[in-house]
Amino acid sequence: NAGVMQNPRHLVRRRGQEARLRCSPMKGHSHVYWYRQLPEEGLKFMVYLQKENIIDESGMPKERFSAEFPKEGPSILRIQQVVRGDSAAYFCASSPMEGRSGNTIYFGEGSWLTVV
Amino acid sequence: AQSVTQPDIHITVSEGASLELRCNYSYGATPYLFWYVQSPGQGLQLLLKYFSGDTLVQGIKGFEAEFKRSQSSFNLRKPSVHWSDAAEYFCAVGPTSGTYKYIFGTGTRLKVLA
Repeated sequence: NAGVMQNPRHLVRRRGQEARLRCSPMKGHSHVYWYRQLPEEGLKFMVYLQKENIIDESGMPKERFSAEFPKEGPSILRIQQVVRGDSAAYFCASSPMEGRSGNTIYFGEGSWLTVV
Repeated sequence: AQSVTQPDIHITVSEGASLELRCNYSYGATPYLFWYVQSPGQGLQLLLKYFSGDTLVQGIKGFEAEFKRSQSSFNLRKPSVHWSDAAEYFCAVGPTSGTYKYIFGTGTRLKVLA
């Protein structure tokens, strides 16, 4: 999992600010997932992207959250006007093939967001 | 809908003792199953996975898991636990037709006594 790079590892934001989390998938991987882990809970699916396409965003909150995976550069998870409830660990994962085939996804080290 | 249940939130074992972490899933067909381990402040590392074939799967760090269709279970085992195994363990079900989500259980936190 060391191949999936996430930054920043830790981010502190005041309520109302924006948080921007970046994820570079493993080399050769073109499929990216974002998961959120709230304290004492498991991982919850947020969004699945391929290059320049959002494939499944059924786990994304309807407001303030957005994700992109441009043709060039990392995938970005953007949280606008953060609130205390957004404090969580955000994990990016990548896979080489389409997610539906059941192939393995590999996780990054996570980005820990704290909203004060 | 798919779901994963890890009935044990916390488990404590002595170093050298055997370990079994439970995982039950809900899915109509044969699922893709995974076990991941997470150390504090770290990401998730894949321990092992089951796609098809032999129902006893060997993983890294001496772990194994057995898929039992009749019990809808995929329990993780290790014959002798080391102090470095203290971590949180997550069972997951891979995506199926019509979905891209990997569904995770809520995790089991393992504590190892010296």
